[in-house]
Amino acid sequence: NAGVTQTPKFRVLKTGQSMTLLCAQDMNHEYMYWYRQDPGMGLRLIHYSVGEGTTAKGEVPDGYNVSRLKKQNFLLGLESAAPSQTSVYFCASRTHWDRRNTEAFFGQGTRLTVV
Amino acid sequence: AQTVTQSQPEMSVQEAETVTLSCTYDTSESDYYLFWYKQPPSRQMILVIRQEAYKQQNATENRFSVNFQKAAKSFSLKISDSQLGDAAMYFCAYRTDRGSTLGRLYFGRGTQLTVWP
Repeated sequence: NAGVTQTPKFRVLKTGQSMTLLCAQDMNHEYMYWYRQDPGMGLRLIHYSVGEGTTAKGEVPDGYNVSRLKKQNFLLGLESAAPSQTSVYFCASRTHWDRRNTEAFFGQGTRLTVV
Repeated sequence: AQTVTQSQPEMSVQEAETVTLSCTYDTSESDYYLFWYKQPPSRQMILVIRQEAYKQQNATENRFSVNFQKAAKSFSLKISDSQLGDAAMYFCAYRTDRGSTLGRLYFGRGTQLTVWP
């Protein structure tokens, strides 16, 4: 049972390069989220999705795009990486059924460095 | 807007002793959930304990317990009989399923816990 898997785990980019982070979950969850974690800032929501084909902005969406073409995958794209996007990125997923007994499942994180 | 505040960036405790991590939050909702997550150096986010706001009884999970004060909007984590493996960053988080938040988590900035042998 893999849960939530993020690819890659580490990446170094040069300023201006583009890349895509992949999040895959095998739990048939409807909700998926991308967070970024910076020192002293906790985790902040970048984008989220409530189902296949739908996405929405979180609190720090600038410089990122997302897509959810398949229910199990949630992609986070950086079109032109900037040093300010150096961070650890977490994907999470959750079912929307039986809300009182659900929790978010997190991937293992991706450490991205933009030089 | 929902905010979560952890006022202790760092805490330390002697092995086998008890430590309490503080968390306050701001919300206008009456139905919500509160969480403590542990993040060891491996970066994995591990759910430690969860509290539903409608429950008056404080949640406990083995050596971990919370003091939930709904009126004061306070949610502290107590770790008893601290172990070296408890050393980690701890995040307090809030979630409501009402309105447009769609079940997203709001996190505090974290408390780095050091456990001394």
